[in-house]
Amino acid sequence: GESVGLHLPTLSVQEGDNSIINCAYSNSASDYFIWYKQESGKGPQFIIDIRSNMDKRQGQRVTVLLNKTVKHLSLQIAATQPGDSAVYFCAERYRDDKIIFGKGTRLHILP
Amino acid sequence: DAGVIQSPRHEVTEMGQEVTLRCKPISGHNSLFWYRQTMMRGLELLIYFNNNVPIDDSGMPEDRFSAKMPNASFSTLKIQPSEPRDSAVYFCASSPGGGYTFGSGTRLTVV
Repeated sequence: GESVGLHLPTLSVQEGDNSIINCAYSNSASDYFIWYKQESGKGPQFIIDIRSNMDKRQGQRVTVLLNKTVKHLSLQIAATQPGDSAVYFCAERYRDDKIIFGKGTRLHILP
Repeated sequence: DAGVIQSPRHEVTEMGQEVTLRCKPISGHNSLFWYRQTMMRGLELLIYFNNNVPIDDSGMPEDRFSAKMPNASFSTLKIQPSEPRDSAVYFCASSPGGGYTFGSGTRLTVV
């Protein structure tokens, strides 16, 4: 699938290093947040989620941090691999179950 | 589970023609969403359904766009008449409540 191309921020990370992708969300009433990964030619794929009553959640090689005070979300990927190259979207859910996506960040892995 | 199934995968049509995109959600998921993705605007929510009922269609760009969900296992997004600016990748996603599962998308090109 297409992703926002020309205007996407890009993060370049050395293979094996940790990646941190940041996101600012807009609605203080949002109660659920999700990170998605989109590879070229594919639809967004769920990575990890977090509810607003938590500030940290860990998965396999990924951690999401939520700071509600400043409406900030981050995704940390440990030991970045070539397969992590993709566009990453944060998304927030409004209380009516509508999920709104951010613009995305392209993660580029350096050999 | 085959996931969310969209058809066609690619569609090329002439300006003024009617286009119908199809989606089969995951069985048991009670919410269905249609998104459009372009380079300039990223992922935009067009409309979503809950238990086959349209809940929010505020993202539908114009009256040329319409969506239906006649039953729990099928939804369509129709554009009539189509215009070149409708060219994008259209994604369908379904959810049981919480994170979404996306289909592979339909790449629409209107010439």
